[in-house]
Amino acid sequence: QVQVQESGPGLVKPSETLSLTCTVSGASIRDYDWSWIRQPPGKGLEWIAYIGYTGITNYNPSLESRVTISRDTSKNQFSLQLRSVTAADTAVYYCARDHGSSTSKWFDPWGQGTLVTVSS
Amino acid sequence: SYVLTQPPSVSVAPGETARITCAGNNIGSISVHWYQQRPGQAPLLVMFYDTTRPSGIPERFSGSNSENTATLTISWVEAGDEADYFCQVWDNSGDHPVFGGGTKLSVL
Repeated sequence: QVQVQESGPGLVKPSETLSLTCTVSGASIRDYDWSWIRQPPGKGLEWIAYIGYTGITNYNPSLESRVTISRDTSKNQFSLQLRSVTAADTAVYYCARDHGSSTSKWFDPWGQGTLVTVSS
Repeated sequence: SYVLTQPPSVSVAPGETARITCAGNNIGSISVHWYQQRPGQAPLLVMFYDTTRPSGIPERFSGSNSENTATLTISWVEAGDEADYFCQVWDNSGDHPVFGGGTKLSVL
């Protein structure tokens, strides 16, 4: 079965770049689509970015200017970079596998999540 | 961007039926997916394509979607069902997913 696991620094300074990696097991990232989703403490879920099995990408318009999603097929990993972070970017960051079609997608499974705090 | 509205909280006694709603403009014309998030845990998919349960999700969980409201129904509620529940759709105009604000289910 597919499993995903986030990794990366838990603390990032304001104005710097947040970098996270999602390691996938049980499936090749070249066979499916994958997403990053975040959840500020005590708040709801916000989709950040998607990378398709072909390598095509799509971003949340509200974050697009600061975000890059990429992949390393040799390591079966995909990554997130969020530039110029502020305290508002403090959140639990999840990676997940996408399911569905181009007109309706859902997410399963999700990683356990990693808390990233933006603070000096 | 498409907006989904959920009630902040729903409370039921054990054994009763919980109905968690997700309102959106003509939401009945698109597919809705639901996630359960227990405290301190990652979200878990409990319903997709309005009414389909993933493997391992009890039959007590069911879904419906019509006109402007989608509903996740949990029958014979148990203490272990206490969690936050989020609905999610695909915003075709923006070409990205949208989540509802979440509903906290409390089991009295």
